[in-house]
Amino acid sequence: DAKTTQPTSMDCAEGRAANLPCNHSTISGNEYVYWYRQIHSQGPQYIIHGLKNNETNEMASLIITEDRKSSTLILPHATLRDTAVYYCIVRVGDTDKLIFGTGTRLQVFP
Amino acid sequence: KAGVTQTPRYLIKTRGQQVTLSCSPISGHRSVSWYQQTPGQGLQFLFEYFSETQRNKGNFPGRFSGRQFSNSRSEMNVSTLELGDSALYLCASSGGQGAFDEQYFGPGTRLTVT
Repeated sequence: DAKTTQPTSMDCAEGRAANLPCNHSTISGNEYVYWYRQIHSQGPQYIIHGLKNNETNEMASLIITEDRKSSTLILPHATLRDTAVYYCIVRVGDTDKLIFGTGTRLQVFP
Repeated sequence: KAGVTQTPRYLIKTRGQQVTLSCSPISGHRSVSWYQQTPGQGLQFLFEYFSETQRNKGNFPGRFSGRQFSNSRSEMNVSTLELGDSALYLCASSGGQGAFDEQYFGPGTRLTVT
């Protein structure tokens, strides 16, 4: 599975867009990019995933570069409840094994 | 639709004892995975069960074992507990389609070993 690199921490003002980057330069053609977040001491929460195309759902948007070596998770209007650790994960194959890195700790401030 | 449930939510055990944790997946999900989360090692994959068979396994000692029942409910067991086994144990369920399928996590069981 490809390795991902994320900034350790980021800040965002409430109401502004939060843009969380992820590098996955060794990603293979059949590997998906997944994003999860974990609010303190709770189970990780699925946010969004994509293969090649940009994706959007009610929570966030996922922008994947054309060469697929990096991606950005966008929370369009961050709220205080979006304060969490965000994990970018690359997945492949027919198993559910997720390899979590250290993630990005997003702090949303008033 | 009910989410993933884990029991018990909190547990205190003594070193040397064994413990069994339970996970009930979302209805219709056939895959259950288990993870251990500690401050030092982060979230680490333990094993995955699909249709009662272990499909993948992480790098944990044999003291950690699991099983899955015909109704997809899963249990994990840790024998001869060590202080380092204190952690948040999380399970996740999915339809079992691998990378095509998102996983949903339960709230976790917090195990403290004294």
